[in-house]
Parts: sequence; C-alpha cells; structure tokens
Amino acid sequence: QKEVEQNSGPLSVPEGAIASLNCTYSDRVSQSFFWYRQYSGKSPELIMSIYSNGDKEDGRFTAQLNKASQYVSLLIRDSQPSDSATYLCAVNTGFQKLVFGTGTRLLVSP
Amino acid sequence: ETGVTQTPRHLVMGMTNKKSLKCEQHLGHNAMYWYKQSAKKPLELMFVYSLEERVENNSVPSRFSPECPNSSHLFLHLHTLQPEDSALYLCASSQERAATNEKLFFGSGTQLSVL
Repeated sequence: QKEVEQNSGPLSVPEGAIASLNCTYSDRVSQSFFWYRQYSGKSPELIMSIYSNGDKEDGRFTAQLNKASQYVSLLIRDSQPSDSATYLCAVNTGFQKLVFGTGTRLLVSP
Repeated sequence: ETGVTQTPRHLVMGMTNKKSLKCEQHLGHNAMYWYKQSAKKPLELMFVYSLEERVENNSVPSRFSPECPNSSHLFLHLHTLQPEDSALYLCASSQERAATNEKLFFGSGTQLSVL
C-alpha cells in the first residue's frame, strides 16, 4: 500500500463548479497534512495546511480532514480555468518525514 | 531576489560530465532540501540539511553529492549520471526541520536530461 494515495486524474470540472480532490494515507500517527498546487512546468506551491479533524476554509479552498478514516480532501469552490494544475497531497507522519502523493491533475473548462 | 532560486533552469549532460545545481534561499530558513520529481512518481526526498548539517540521506546513489556551505546555499554535485536520473530536481527550504508542521517553499527546479 502506498503511503499517500491520490487518483491521478485528470479530474475535469466546468468553470464555476466545485472540484473535490481526495487523498488517503496509511500511517495512523500522521499529524500534519498539506496541499500543494503545481502548474505545468512550475514548482509546487503550498496552498493549504490542516492539522486537526474537520474543515479549514481559506477563500475558495476548503481542506477537510478525517483522521479516523485517514482521509484528507481539498474542495475548490467556483472553480476557475486558472485552477487547472496538479494538486499534491503531502502528509507528515510525525517522524520528521513528509510523504507526497503522486498528485491529481485538475482541468477546469471554460 | 525573493524566495528560493535555483540555477540552472535546464541542464543537458552526458553520462561522463560533472555538473552542479545551485540553490539559494532568501527566507531566513534553517532547513534546506533536495527533491527529485519524475513523471508519474511522488516527489522523492533526496537530502535534508538543518543548520548546514546533513540530517537525512535517503539512500541516494553516490553519483549525487550535496553540499551546504551555509544556511542560505545548497548545491547538488552530479557526476557519471545515468539516463534514469533525468528528472526535475527541486530545492526547498523550511523554517526548521524539527517541526512536524514544516511548510516547504520550493525553488523553480532544474530540469535535468542525461544523454
């Protein structure tokens, strides 16, 4: 089992819709969770972090964490074509080890 | 200059060449990292430096040799690489290594092609 799993996509949504990106992780002691956005040909950029169960909202982005289910998600409301990118889930397992998923490619069509 | 800068952006080298990748961070961070990103694979951590001391080496082949002369600069020296080493090499920094909520700031990367 991969430590951090993401559907590679692409996930296609129309402009204005909600995009839902999912990530599961295997290590129950994981403490910190991050979402990075990576545009094609660019480096990853941190967009959200979450540390406790529940929802965390920042503008159009909402991160959701469920430690019991070992599941973290990212919702993007009112999706824009400029949101088209690969979204990387990263999990800190508490042993000073940050593990990345392979990323989900999001395509937002006008 | 702001953030994390990497040079060169692109590098093509033969298997017998020796080259170096350079990274500089202007954020006042104490930890710096080298990551490798290959197609269809997760980001792979290669090396970690905390306060100029190497704290992690993830079984990286000896043909990759890191150097951290101070907390702002990080190098990756390359020699006798293989074609499978072709990838995007990303430098990153964080405030400190010990924190479990460390947030990484990435440079723009070096796209390396080994012929």
